[in-house]
Amino acid sequence: GENVEQHPSTLSVQEGDSAVIKCTYSDSASNYFPWYKQELGKRPQLIIDIRSNVGEKKDQRIAVTLNKTAKHFSLHITETQPEDSAVYFCAATLSGNTPLVFGKGTRLSVIA
Amino acid sequence: DADVTQTPRNRITKTGKRIMLECSQTKGHDRMYWYRQDPGLGLRLIYYSFDVKDINKGEISDGYSVSRQAQAKFSLSLESAIPNQTALYFCAVGGTGNTIYFGEGSWLTVV
Repeated sequence: GENVEQHPSTLSVQEGDSAVIKCTYSDSASNYFPWYKQELGKRPQLIIDIRSNVGEKKDQRIAVTLNKTAKHFSLHITETQPEDSAVYFCAATLSGNTPLVFGKGTRLSVIA
Repeated sequence: DADVTQTPRNRITKTGKRIMLECSQTKGHDRMYWYRQDPGLGLRLIYYSFDVKDINKGEISDGYSVSRQAQAKFSLSLESAIPNQTALYFCAVGGTGNTIYFGEGSWLTVV
């Protein structure tokens, strides 16, 4: 089955700097890659996703890139703000009848 | 959001007791999931269901059982709770597009 590795497990950045979180997946057939943000004490919420027919997707300060050959995808947050502090989870699956498999999460701290 | 309600939100129970966590949704999604979250271990899948007659084991199903009573309801049971089942439990729902939406979570402590 699918296995998703996520790095780093913790990340501290200065406010205004960029943050990058990387994930690798094992199943080359996977074609859907969402990212979730979990603020302290709250539920994970979808912030951006990408499908394998696209190499990059942007939404304001966040972007996700996908390298199918290398089987990795990354979350990029630019101009970080204190409210970006949270745990971020990547996930992967083959669309259809397979559930999402999550990475173990990255705790991002944005220092003001 | 998919309007996912979990009950109870917090529960403390004793070792050996049976406990049920309930999940309901209002948007008519076919697919429902139970995940467990532990610090440093991420979100691990316990069970999932793609319709009322479909139940599938996930990565960590041992010690758990589920029931899909209706399209809108999916409950998770611990038949005999043990301390290492202390965790935050999330129900999630989704459609055929694979995007899933989480409930607010249920904190379970087994003492």
